[in-house]
Amino acid sequence: GAVVSQHPSWVICKSGTSVKIECRSLDFQATTMFWYRQFPKQSLMLMATSNEGSKATYEQGVEKDKFLINHASLTLSTLTVTSAHPEDSSFYICSATLNEGTQYFGPGTRLLVL
Amino acid sequence: AQRVTQPEKLLSVFKGAPVELKCNYSYSGSPELFWYVQYSRQRLQLLLRHISRESIKGFTADLNKGETSFHLKKPFAQEEDSAMYYCALSGVGGYNKLIFGAGTRLAVHP
Repeated sequence: GAVVSQHPSWVICKSGTSVKIECRSLDFQATTMFWYRQFPKQSLMLMATSNEGSKATYEQGVEKDKFLINHASLTLSTLTVTSAHPEDSSFYICSATLNEGTQYFGPGTRLLVL
Repeated sequence: AQRVTQPEKLLSVFKGAPVELKCNYSYSGSPELFWYVQYSRQRLQLLLRHISRESIKGFTADLNKGETSFHLKKPFAQEEDSAMYYCALSGVGGYNKLIFGAGTRLAVHP
């Protein structure tokens, strides 16, 4: 149980376009979902916390207009990278949490902006 | 400030040797500590959490509030233990946010 999926697993896009990444909890209803960014050989950095039906809470230094988060249901959250630039190229990981607080992670989405 | 420190980027041992992955934290409240593991080309997965006090795959970790540490230990390393290990701290702010350490790569050689 407690499986989290992400789609797509990788995406290549042109600079200036927008990219949407989906995060789904497959077998449980997630009260909260989190979005992380991971640069090569570095740790995960929390970008934002997403709760169903409310606005996401962004970490300091993360542009909310650049990284749009929508949490439409208890099983789906989306991250849209708007007007992507090469510096946005990274590995984006989501996680979903059950009530007891354990976070279950998705497989990640690799974004390459040309 | 809340912080998780993993001082070693790489820990290299031989099969059968004891392993200790160090983790220190800085947090003024009551922390909840976790160890996550990421095997090659796989997603991050929970290894253990301090409140459960269980042993997973032979790994144990004890929360030492006096030393603000949560070191991960295994008496006899196996090759399949080779992976990236992240220590994480929860209880910061609401919604069980996690703060991760930089990670330690464990390489177990035959």
